[in-house]
Amino acid sequence: AAGVIQSPRHLIKEKRETATLKCYPIPRHDTVYWYQQGPGQDPQFLISFYEKMQSDKGSIPDRFSAQQFSDYHSELNMSSLELGDSALYFCASSFGQNSGNTIYFGEGSWLTVV
Amino acid sequence: AQSVSQHNHHVILSEAASLELGCNYSYGGTVNLFWYVQYPGQHLQLLLKYFSGDPLVKGIKGFEAEFIKSKFSFNLRKPSVQWSDTAEYFCAVGGSQGNLIFGKGTKLSVKP
Repeated sequence: AAGVIQSPRHLIKEKRETATLKCYPIPRHDTVYWYQQGPGQDPQFLISFYEKMQSDKGSIPDRFSAQQFSDYHSELNMSSLELGDSALYFCASSFGQNSGNTIYFGEGSWLTVV
Repeated sequence: AQSVSQHNHHVILSEAASLELGCNYSYGGTVNLFWYVQYPGQHLQLLLKYFSGDPLVKGIKGFEAEFIKSKFSFNLRKPSVQWSDTAEYFCAVGGSQGNLIFGKGTKLSVKP
């Protein structure tokens, strides 16, 4: 079965550079979530989109922005990167945004800022 | 605000030992509860979930969890662990907009 696809899987950037992560949800899923998991940390919710509109916002820094496109894929844009942004970024998707819906996670994008 | 606490940071067991990982949540209303597993270097995978009905939920790989509303708990159990269960386990509660709020996670190391 198709899963959540994230790209790139690994990314190395220097401080103050920008990075863009892409997420392709499971087909027919209309809700996308972004999470950040620092080394040895639990996943922290960043932002979510439902039907191409931002639906909820978590601990996303102002330097980051995201959007969901007409084909439901989503991109997370990160600017002025800092060393502390080094983390595993998960995208997840679900059908609908009911809290009871199962959320499926992608394999993550490893961002290393040097 | 909803929150989740997991009591154990790291649990070490021998193969065939029984497992119970604690999870407590803060929200007093209707909750949806999940346990996810993260194998080393991999993404989060759903083990089981509770929405309503039977408070004893069975998941994949022989795991089960019991929802006890009076204790705000959703502990994960497995009667006999295997080396392949070595992973990090996250308890989560469903947020109002469908996002997940995770606990800090419990690392499980199973000695062969």
